Amino acid sequence: DTAVSQTPKYLVTQMGNDKSIKCEQNLGHDTMYWYKQDSKKFLKIMFSYNNKELIINETVPNRFSPKSPDKAHLNLHINSLELGDSAVYFCASSLRAGDEKLFFGSGTQLSVL
Amino acid sequence: AQSVAQPEDQVNVAEGNPLTVKCTYSVSGNPYLFWYVQYPNRGLQFLLKYITGDNLVKGSYGFEAEFNKSQTSFHLKKPSALVSDSALYFCAVRDMNFNKFYFGSGTKLNVKP
Repeated sequence: DTAVSQTPKYLVTQMGNDKSIKCEQNLGHDTMYWYKQDSKKFLKIMFSYNNKELIINETVPNRFSPKSPDKAHLNLHINSLELGDSAVYFCASSLRAGDEKLFFGSGTQLSVL
Repeated sequence: AQSVAQPEDQVNVAEGNPLTVKCTYSVSGNPYLFWYVQYPNRGLQFLLKYITGDNLVKGSYGFEAEFNKSQTSFHLKKPSALVSDSALYFCAVRDMNFNKFYFGSGTKLNVKP
C-alpha cells in the first residue's frame, strides 16, 4: 500500500476554473503538508496541518484553501486558477509536527492553460 | 532566516567514481540538515540527516554526508556511484522554531555507465 497517496496525478484545466487535489496517508502520522514545486524544481512549503489544525500557512494567495477532515487526509482546493499556479504539488506527512523525516506523495502535476 | 544553497544545477560522474553533491547552509542556532532524493515522477525520499554528533553521517543507499561547521557546508557523498543513483538531490534545513523545512533548489545527478 502506498504510504502517502494523492490524486489526481495529472490535472489539466483552464484559467479561472476551480480544482481540488486530495491527499491521504496511511502511516498514522499526525502532521501533513502541502508543498509546491515550480518549473525550476524549487520546493516551497504552503501549508501544514497537525491533527486537523492549521499550523503553517505561508504567504499563499487566499485562492488556495486547505482542508483536513481528519488527520489522515489533507485536501487542497484552488479557486480561480491562474497560469502561475502551474506546478507540481506534493503532499507529505510526518509522524508529528517538526519531525525530522517527511514522507512525500508522488505529486500532482497541475497545468493551467 | 534559515536557508540552504546548492551551487550546482547538475553533476555528472562516471559509474564507479566517487560523487559529491554540494550544499551550504545559513542558519541561526544549531543546524538541522537533511538530504532528500527525488526520482523521476516520484515524491522526495529521505536519505539522511545531521542533528548533532559525528560530522560524518551515513544514510540510505550507501550515501553519506559531511557536516563542516567552519565552512557551513553539508556535502553529500558516495564512494562509488551507480547509474541508478541518477536523480534530483535536495539539501534541506529545518527551522526548529517554526517546524518548517527549507529546501535547496536541487542538484541533478547524472551517473553515466
